[in-house]
Amino acid sequence: DADVTQTPRNRITKTGKRIMLECSQTKGHDRMYWYRQDPGLGLRLIYYSFDVKDINKGEISDGYSVSRQAQAKFSLSLESAIPNQTALYFCATSDFVGYEQYFGPGTRLTVT
Amino acid sequence: TQLLEQSPQFLSIQEGENLTVYCNSSSVFSSLQWYRQEPGEGPVLLVTVVTGGEVKKLKRLTFQFGDARKDSSLHITAAQPGDTGLYLCAGSRSGGSNYKLTFGKGTLLTVNP
Repeated sequence: DADVTQTPRNRITKTGKRIMLECSQTKGHDRMYWYRQDPGLGLRLIYYSFDVKDINKGEISDGYSVSRQAQAKFSLSLESAIPNQTALYFCATSDFVGYEQYFGPGTRLTVT
Repeated sequence: TQLLEQSPQFLSIQEGENLTVYCNSSSVFSSLQWYRQEPGEGPVLLVTVVTGGEVKKLKRLTFQFGDARKDSSLHITAAQPGDTGLYLCAGSRSGGSNYKLTFGKGTLLTVNP
């Protein structure tokens, strides 16, 4: 079984809809991250969490929110989706050292 | 802003050839990671280098961290179709921000049988 899982794997939604992407991990890591990947822009950090009570904004957090429901679960929400949020979204985890990160399989999100 | 420039952006070669891809910056990184990403999947960590001049080998892949810790290279010997994928480098700064990775945009490698 995969150490980091994401649901859904693919999602098409309409502008203005609220959508939640979910991430679960069995690696036992405290730190979890959400990234988006766009062609030509690479991976960019949206939010990160060091534990259930410690959540921080990354470089592109506008239009997104997160919830850390448990050590193993970290969800990303788009409150009102817009087309330029069409992208690949990845969840990742790490131990306290931080720089070795383990990624989930991703969610391909399309906002029409 | 610390940038990591990867080159070439695209590389298409025949099975059995050797290749090198590069990851360069004007900034110093405390560590550098290489990931491989296949279509429809997330990046998979291949290696971490932390010491200037460090060389690590993973089967046919050889990774090197520059002496000044500003650049890195990945060399593949006798490439195989299974090596096809997007190769990403990522660097971290020292101290409390080592979890904040700066990613390059990647080198898309295609190995033709």
